[in-house]
Amino acid sequence: QKEVEQNSGPLSVPEGAIASLNCTYSDRGSQSFFWYRQYSGKSPELIMSIYSNGDKEDGRFTAQLNKASQYVSLLIRDSQPSDSATYLCAVRAGGGNKLTFGTGTQLKVEL
Amino acid sequence: DGGITQSPKYLFRKEGQNVTLSCEQNLNHDAMYWYRQDPGQGLRLIYYSQIVNDFQKGDIAEGYSVSREKKESFPLTVTSAQKNPTAFYLCASSMGGAGADTQYFGPGTRLTVL
Repeated sequence: QKEVEQNSGPLSVPEGAIASLNCTYSDRGSQSFFWYRQYSGKSPELIMSIYSNGDKEDGRFTAQLNKASQYVSLLIRDSQPSDSATYLCAVRAGGGNKLTFGTGTQLKVEL
Repeated sequence: DGGITQSPKYLFRKEGQNVTLSCEQNLNHDAMYWYRQDPGQGLRLIYYSQIVNDFQKGDIAEGYSVSREKKESFPLTVTSAQKNPTAFYLCASSMGGAGADTQYFGPGTRLTVL
């Protein structure tokens, strides 16, 4: 069983729609959760981090965390073609600094 | 300009050669990391260092070596023992310490074995 799972996609949404990206994790002791965006051929860049159950909003992005169900999601409102990228979910277990990454979900925002 | 730099951007290696990838940061971060990314496999941790002169193996350390002689530098050597070294190599750094600790990535080095 993979420790951090994401649907590889591609997830296609029309411009202006809401894109919903999901991630599940296996370690119940996980404490910190991160979403990175990676454009083709480039390195990952941090979008959001979330540590507590509930929602965290930053501009068009909302991260949602449910520790009981062991999932974290990222919502992108008013999706733009520039949002087309691969989104990586990363999870840190309690203690230490090691992150475990999912394989990423490819998002395509179509005109 | 604060950030993480990696060099070279592209690197070609002949089979049997060792190569060293550079990673430098001026963020005053204590912790540094090396990841490898292959298509469809996400990022896998090779080595990490939480403090100068100390480092630990990650999930796929075989065939790689590192050093951490200075806080700002964490070079990675890909040795001839690494059987499939062609990949995208990413260096990251973080403040370190317990609790919420965010990793930031450099631009990466793409290594190709000829």
